[in-house]
Amino acid sequence: DAGVIQSPRHEVTEMGQEVTLRCKPISGHNSLFWYRQTMMRGLELLIYFNNNVPIDDSGMPEDRFSAKMPNASFSTLKIQPSEPRDSAVYFCASSSGKAGGPEDTQYFGPGTRLTVL
Amino acid sequence: DQQVKQNSPSLSVQEGRISILNCDYTNSMFDYFLWYKKYPAEGPTFLISISSIKDKNEDGRFTVFLNKSAKHLSLHIVPSQPGDSAVYFCAASLLISNFGNEKLTFGTGTRLTIIP
Repeated sequence: DAGVIQSPRHEVTEMGQEVTLRCKPISGHNSLFWYRQTMMRGLELLIYFNNNVPIDDSGMPEDRFSAKMPNASFSTLKIQPSEPRDSAVYFCASSSGKAGGPEDTQYFGPGTRLTVL
Repeated sequence: DQQVKQNSPSLSVQEGRISILNCDYTNSMFDYFLWYKKYPAEGPTFLISISSIKDKNEDGRFTVFLNKSAKHLSLHIVPSQPGDSAVYFCAASLLISNFGNEKLTFGTGTRLTIIP
């Protein structure tokens, strides 16, 4: 299995530009998570989907952030407009959701390092 | 408000000795705890977990201890090996009655360096 795939791996953009991060979860997994990693706050859950439906988006920092999951094999996290404080590593993770709980191990992608100048 | 805290940003341990990583939490509703390990330029990978009904879980060289009264958990690695050098994240799960309990709250991580 290829694991969770994220693209791009690195993104450098200027303030005000739109940024789109992409994620392909592990085939057969029905839960997908977007996290942001910063030095100050560690790994923060932004949003998670179950069966393509957003379940909890309370971690999305503000309206500039949006996430979609149009089908079971693809999700996007969009920032529009981007700001320097959005600079971080963004991770996507997926889990099988069979047990319906934290026992369902989350498998992380390699992350996208975003730099907003 | 950081509900899961890892107060030691870094830790260095001699190879072969015991590594002890600590984690504190503030929300007494957390009922499941996990440790993830992260190498540079990779995503975190699951290491070990413990349910709130237990106080110890062991898997090979890794043991997690949970002290619910103190809201504290620790990860023991013995003996420590150079390949254990990584960032370790503590995470906790909060039961969400409507949607199950997949939501994890992570700490800020501890960078462990094993000195050969």
